[in-house]
Amino acid sequence: LAKTTQPISMDSYEGQEVNITCSHNNIATNDYITWYQQFPSQGPRFIIQGYKTKVTNEVASLFIPADRKSSTLSLPRVSLSDTAVYYCLVAAPRGYGGSQGNLIFGKGTKLSVKP
Amino acid sequence: SQTIHQWPATLVQPVGSPLSLECTVEGTSNPNLYWYRQAAGRGLQLLFYSVGIGQISSEVPQNLSASRPQDRQFILSSKKLLLSDSGFYLCAWSLFGGIVHTEAFFGQGTRLTVV
Repeated sequence: LAKTTQPISMDSYEGQEVNITCSHNNIATNDYITWYQQFPSQGPRFIIQGYKTKVTNEVASLFIPADRKSSTLSLPRVSLSDTAVYYCLVAAPRGYGGSQGNLIFGKGTKLSVKP
Repeated sequence: SQTIHQWPATLVQPVGSPLSLECTVEGTSNPNLYWYRQAAGRGLQLLFYSVGIGQISSEVPQNLSASRPQDRQFILSSKKLLLSDSGFYLCAWSLFGGIVHTEAFFGQGTRLTVV
């Protein structure tokens, strides 16, 4: 099972771009990389998912190098409302080996956005 | 569309009392189901996951148990609660089948306080 390592916390200011990096040295061939956002007293919410190279959606970009041993979540122009905990997750589809469906979250990165 | 229902939202229980938290999913079939616990200021801890009716995998040995009596119903139970069982409990579902990996969707959570 691929273990992930993220910084415990990060500080930023409104309007800045924030990059959060996650290490997953033991990622398996069938594993996908998924990022979640969690606000206090709420369940995590899906942000973005990728397998390799770059993925972009309306809220974030995900950069994955060729060796896939790390990934970087990029949040453009953060606002106060982006203050949350961000989790990096590595897992494979059921039946495709890897984690066999169990989703193990790491400790996440607590992002604090200041005015 | 798919929805996940988790109840109750908050619960205060005395030490030694039983526990039953229920989670149901609508709008999908044969989902993976998960129970997580989050202690105050801590990350998400995977407690149980299930890939099908009657199939339960435990990640952390403890005085909790889980059952899946129906395809879209997942129950977390305890015969005797401990103070250390206090926390924020989250139910989640995902579909890991086929070629496309899909994200996990979380319920609103149950805040359990054992007194």
